[in-house]
Parts: sequence; structure tokens; C-alpha cells
Amino acid sequence: EPEVTQTPSHQVTQMGQEVILRCVPISNHLYFYWYRQILGQKVEFLVSFYNNEISEKSEIFDDQFSVERPDGSNFTLKIRSTKLEDSAMYFCASSGGRTYNEQFFGPGTRLTVL
Amino acid sequence: GDSVTQMEGPVTLSEEAFLTINCTYTATGYPSLFWYVQYPGEGLQLLLKATKADDKGSNKGFEATYRKETTSFHLEKGSVQVSDSAVYFCALTPIQGAQKLVFGQGTRLTINP
Repeated sequence: EPEVTQTPSHQVTQMGQEVILRCVPISNHLYFYWYRQILGQKVEFLVSFYNNEISEKSEIFDDQFSVERPDGSNFTLKIRSTKLEDSAMYFCASSGGRTYNEQFFGPGTRLTVL
Repeated sequence: GDSVTQMEGPVTLSEEAFLTINCTYTATGYPSLFWYVQYPGEGLQLLLKATKADDKGSNKGFEATYRKETTSFHLEKGSVQVSDSAVYFCALTPIQGAQKLVFGQGTRLTINP
């Protein structure tokens, strides 16, 4: 069964450093998403991406964040200058095809900012 | 804006007990409704969904009915197992196209043998 994959599973970084979180969505999907979950809190939407551009973003997704689909398979989230409050689990999701409103999630990347 | 409210957790039950996790929503129009489950150390998995009023989603013995009149989508299971221990999230998307999921705060369920 096709699945969304994410790398790395855990990333530790120093405050102020740049990080790139990587995702490989399901191959025939066209819509891509990033969510985050701060420990013990609800899952929050960050951004959605379709047709090589951002279709919607939340207030959390400020200028420090960017997304890219650098090739036909990867979908990345970059945080330019990490802050302590960026520590969270980051989930990638994709949807498309006949079940366009059903999002499939990856296992997540746990980001720890020290 | 759109929002989802779930019953406060954590919920602790004995094996074979009946489960209800309440979920209500606020949305413009007619959203699609979902229950996602997060097992310890894992990502989110879709458990079930309903896309229009009076639809019943079901999977693995879990059920939820889309109630437009009460704006609810309560999750139920007749006989829970230890393996059902997880965090359960109610969520919605607007019906128009593939857009963001709006999640409730999650309910941690623990089933004791």
C-alpha cells in the first residue's frame, strides 16, 4: 500500500540554524500539506501546496518558513532560523485522485531546537 | 472560522467496555468529517470519514454518524480492546476541494485489560 514517508525521523538543531524537513508524498497525489503538533497540543495546519504553489497558509507559516517541490517526488519544509518554539512534531500529508479530500499522513519528524 | 471541539480526556476504560468520544463542529457550509487515530510513537492514520449529513463512517468496529442538526460526529465502539489505546482526533475539511484539516484537541484513550 502506498504511503507518505518523511526524513529524518528526529532532527536536533541549535536555535538560529536552518533546517529542512523532507517528505515523499504518495506518487499520484497532487495536494501536499505540512502540519505541526507541539507536544501535548492539537495538530495545527501550516501550509497546503498545489500545482507548484502555496494554495493556503496559516498565521504560523511566516517568512521563516518555506516549502518547495524540488523534483517530481520530494516535498520539503524549510525553517530558515529556528526558534525554541519551533520544537514540535512536523507531519507531511498528501491527497489526490479519487479520494481528494482524504489526506494521508507521514510518520512525522520530531524537531528539537536547543 | 471552522473549529472542532472534542470531549476532554484522558479517557480510561476496561476491555470490552462501550466507548463514546464526543465531537462537535462549527463550519460554514457542509464540511467533510473525519476521525484520525495516533498510536504511540506513530503518525496520524485515518480511521473513518463521512462526507454528507446522515452518512455513517465505520472501520475496525468504530462508527460515527454525521449529524447536521446537532453538528456532531461522535465516535463509538461497542467493545474496546487494549490495542485501541491511542489518541483520537476529530477533524473537518470544507467540502470544496482539498483543503486544510482542522483538528480537535485530541482525546487520549487508555484501555486496561
